[in-house]
Amino acid sequence: GDSVTQMEGPVTLSEEAFLTINCTYTATGYPSLFWYVQYPGEGLQLLLKATKADDKGSNKGFEATYRKETTSFHLEKGSVQVSDSAVYFCALSDPSEANNLFFGTGTRLTVIP
Amino acid sequence: DAGVIQSPRHEVTEMGQEVTLRCKLISGHNSLFWYRQTMMRGLELLIYFNNNVPIDDSGMPEDRFSAKMPNASFSTLKIQPSEPRDSAVYFCASRVGTGEETQYFGPGTRLLVL
Repeated sequence: GDSVTQMEGPVTLSEEAFLTINCTYTATGYPSLFWYVQYPGEGLQLLLKATKADDKGSNKGFEATYRKETTSFHLEKGSVQVSDSAVYFCALSDPSEANNLFFGTGTRLTVIP
Repeated sequence: DAGVIQSPRHEVTEMGQEVTLRCKLISGHNSLFWYRQTMMRGLELLIYFNNNVPIDDSGMPEDRFSAKMPNASFSTLKIQPSEPRDSAVYFCASRVGTGEETQYFGPGTRLLVL
């Protein structure tokens, strides 16, 4: 079955540090891949997505590249800000599973000034 | 456009009481998902609807939980009777349809059962 494995947290970084949150997936079909972000007290928001191999999703300085050969979709940002503190969820959507989302466990990021 | 709307945002109740959570979909969306989020179990899909019809309720914990979609834009999740272990944040999310992948989440209802 489909599943997503993401880096255990929590992650604490200083402002302007480089961020990587690892995500790997298992899927029976040809999934699309997503990163969602959850700020404190809020619901999940779509951060970025990629729908096919070698696509790069990007938004707000975050990037992730769909790597089929390594079944990965790692999230990166070159210089984090305090406002990036949140929980980040990797997810996949599989057309053979009615395009429902399979979420990872989430990684809490705290950025300190 | 308004996003997914959930009410109440916070609910505190006593064990044994009935709890009803409400969700209004984004206009034009016809798939609805209910999720539960806890520290221990993370984000769990409880049930989803397509065109008002429940498609998969295998995530519903037990018979105390029920969900309905009386019309195309509104859904309720009911817990009767509630128990302390039901304490969690409950999210609903909607999307345009099965051909579209992106789900849009509401702000959640934080439920505390004493």
